[in-house]
Amino acid sequence: NAGVTQTPKFQVLKTGQSMTLQCAQDMNHNSMYWYRQDPGMGLRLIYYSASEGTTDKGEVPNGYNVSRLNKREFSLRLESAAPSQTSVYFCASSVRAGAALGEKLFFGSGTQLSVL
Amino acid sequence: TQLLEQSPQFLSIQEGENLTVYCNSSSVFSSLQWYRQEPGEGPVLLVTVVTGGEVKKLKRLTFQFGDARKDSSLHITAAQTGDTGLYLCAGPNQAGTALIFGKGTTLSVSS
Repeated sequence: NAGVTQTPKFQVLKTGQSMTLQCAQDMNHNSMYWYRQDPGMGLRLIYYSASEGTTDKGEVPNGYNVSRLNKREFSLRLESAAPSQTSVYFCASSVRAGAALGEKLFFGSGTQLSVL
Repeated sequence: TQLLEQSPQFLSIQEGENLTVYCNSSSVFSSLQWYRQEPGEGPVLLVTVVTGGEVKKLKRLTFQFGDARKDSSLHITAAQTGDTGLYLCAGPNQAGTALIFGKGTTLSVSS
């Protein structure tokens, strides 16, 4: 029962470096999400993908890009990392993009990213 | 802008005590959810409430959705050390496409 798998679990970058956070789900879910979690700020939505082939910006998309590679995989890319992007990143998935209908989100265990 | 405000931010209690945490907004939500997050892990859904005035029970946890669907509460009876964690409320964004989260209540239960 893998659920939502995120890699890597920890990463340290220097300012200006790039990297891609990987996320894969094995539950045949249609919708996937990337959130960041900062102390005292809660979870904030970066990007989401309602279905394969579509992506949309969330609350804090600046400095990030995403790719919905297929139904299973949704990656988050930092092109030029900045210290303000130091955070814990969570990928999540749901059966469908119906948050208004009370869709349950399944979360991965997170990637802790430090940008020096 | 939709906001979910949670209180208190931190709560430290002894095992056996009762507690209530709150999630409030000035916006009406079609549903609200409660998640619990343990250190090093992602949030896990506890409950979804969809009807104004609804009360749901999950063992020692009681969840209530306000009549006007602008607020919710989580009451824990006889807290145990295993209840320790971060409790997050969440509701759909205005487009209904993703969830927005409150900042959470960190609960510490000591024996």
